[in-house]
Amino acid sequence: GQNIDQPTEMTATEGAIVQINCTYQTSGFNGLFWYQQHAGEAPTFLSYNVLDGLEEKGRFSSFLSRSKGYSYLLLKELQMKDSASYLCAVADNYGQNFVFGPGTRLSVLP
Amino acid sequence: ETGVTQTPRHLVMGMTNKKSLKCEQHLGHNAMYWYKQSAKKPLELMFVYNFKEQTENNSVPSRFSPECPNSSHLFLHLHTLQPEDSALYLCASSQGSGGQTIYEQYFGPGTRLTVT
Repeated sequence: GQNIDQPTEMTATEGAIVQINCTYQTSGFNGLFWYQQHAGEAPTFLSYNVLDGLEEKGRFSSFLSRSKGYSYLLLKELQMKDSASYLCAVADNYGQNFVFGPGTRLSVLP
Repeated sequence: ETGVTQTPRHLVMGMTNKKSLKCEQHLGHNAMYWYKQSAKKPLELMFVYNFKEQTENNSVPSRFSPECPNSSHLFLHLHTLQPEDSALYLCASSQGSGGQTIYEQYFGPGTRLTVT
């Protein structure tokens, strides 16, 4: 079966660091994506990991451990505009099917 | 126009109506996707088209009928829908689909569908 878990909601303070976890159990794996979705808007791409390790992109970093079925998205120097839902998604072995997690709603407080 | 556009943005239809959702991408991509996003549920992939050929159908009921006349346009034809089909329908495109290289998807703003 396909199962992806993320915390439903998280709260953090402006300027802080927050880590959003994602665990997955899927029948195949060809990479893991993180997307950001502001309320009422389309998801936008943040990062892609296919090999174990950390990928850094400015204030955002994403980590993957394939043996543990685990990823996290790290957001540094939080800003108010980072308040959004963060979606974790796994591509299957053939890269045709994408399974999304339920999303984590992050609220950044002043 | 840039990116991925969808029309209409909002649609209210009765269970006996027939309507179509339209998606257009201006990114030169070869793959297009339909997703359903319901409240409190994960984003669900419905259909995948790669170079106009349907490559994935995730057990979607036949009351949803996709059409991809070319790599830039994607339609979702709707007929005899049920109230539980009310959701946000998102279209996305990517440089390709399948194979060794996996590309990120670019999403349109969605069509908010209400079935009465």
